[in-house]
Amino acid sequence: QKEVEQDPGPLSVPEGAIVSLNCTYSNSAFQYFMWYRQYSRKGPELLMYTYSSGNKEDGRFTAQVDKSSKYISLFIRDSQPSDSATYLCAMGRSYGKLTFGQGTILTVHP
Amino acid sequence: GAGVSQSPSNKVTEKGKDVELRCDPISGHTALYWYRQSLGQGLEFLIYFQGNSAPDKSGLPSDRFSAERTGGSVSTLTIQRTQQEDSAVYLCASSHPRGTSGGGTDTQYFGPGTRLTVL
Repeated sequence: QKEVEQDPGPLSVPEGAIVSLNCTYSNSAFQYFMWYRQYSRKGPELLMYTYSSGNKEDGRFTAQVDKSSKYISLFIRDSQPSDSATYLCAMGRSYGKLTFGQGTILTVHP
Repeated sequence: GAGVSQSPSNKVTEKGKDVELRCDPISGHTALYWYRQSLGQGLEFLIYFQGNSAPDKSGLPSDRFSAERTGGSVSTLTIQRTQQEDSAVYLCASSHPRGTSGGGTDTQYFGPGTRLTVL
């Protein structure tokens, strides 16, 4: 079993929809959690990071962490076609390597 | 400012050949990482350099893979005797750790990657 599980999708939604992306993990040593967005043939770019349970909001994006359930989510409100990309969850124990989920391919159609 | 750069952007090689991939991190970043992304897979950690400390090589898949970082800046990932299963996108990231106090984060900034194809 992988340390981080993420549904690869693909996920297709209409413009304006609320998108929910999720990851589960098995290693309780993970201390901080990130979401990256990756456009085709580009490197991942950091969207959100958090290190505590609860919600963190940034514009249309909300990251949610539930350490007791080992579950993290990313919500995208009022989704736009420009949000179409692969979304990767990532987790770290301290400084050093990140462990990534497989990535979810999202398409937002007009 | 300039981000992480990688070269070449694409590399096609024949099975059995050696390849070298280069990464230029963000200036001032003391930590440098290599990851591999295969088709339909998430990013797989390969190696991590932090300052003058011994690198964390725990992710290297075989002894055909090696990496070095010269002068605490540029890094080269070398794959010897390439195999078809080495075909992937190789991504480099750099960061500037904020310290060891609780709550610090190590935000990693990624380059565009090198797409390696082994025929």
